[in-house]
Amino acid sequence: AQKITQTQPGMFVQEKEAVTLDCTYDTSDPSYGLFWYKQPSSGEMIFLIYQGSYDQQNATEGRYSLNFQKARKSANLVISASQLGDSAMYFCAMREGGAGGFKTIFGAGTRLFVKA
Amino acid sequence: DSGVTQTPKHLITATGQRVTLRCSPRSGDLSVYWYQQSLDQGLQFLIQYYNGEERAKGNILERFSAQQFPDLHSELNLSSLELGDSALYFCASSVSGGTGGYNEQFFGPGTRLTVL
Repeated sequence: AQKITQTQPGMFVQEKEAVTLDCTYDTSDPSYGLFWYKQPSSGEMIFLIYQGSYDQQNATEGRYSLNFQKARKSANLVISASQLGDSAMYFCAMREGGAGGFKTIFGAGTRLFVKA
Repeated sequence: DSGVTQTPKHLITATGQRVTLRCSPRSGDLSVYWYQQSLDQGLQFLIQYYNGEERAKGNILERFSAQQFPDLHSELNLSSLELGDSALYFCASSVSGGTGGYNEQFFGPGTRLTVL
């Protein structure tokens, strides 16, 4: 079953504007973590932001913020003031588990193009 | 630079062969994760080790095996290679292995495996 869904294969945004990348997840585990990663064309995976299932406030890291709506099971990434260097693939991921071990599941990704 | 090192960077081999990919985690990290990234399957979690012991298993084929050594470096062994095994193999490390944000995973640069 698909546990992480990123419905936007590709997105365009004008430089200096904000953009929201969608992510929905599915889990029955009350304890889980949500992560966003950036993968530039060079291939490396860069950690951006984390949100825990019990966190009351939305996570923020510089220009990145995570719009966490627990009831809707969504964890959208908001990038403010887009820069050309933000052009990359973005992955949403979820870690869940317990005694049997913790597994991290990634979504299919959203390719973001920032236009000058 | 994430602090996670992977060798080799590129590997070209033939079907039926066996290869070993090596990963050194960040200093102080006890968990090592292996991922496979291919065009058709996306980013797939393979396996996690924590302090030398297998902690979680994902979509890892029986032809693949891994281990984590006392010095915490890890190796992923791929045998009886098939064309479909061609992919980018990432290693990641984290402090621990649970769902908390302190367990953000830092990724290595990856090993690109090409099976001809």
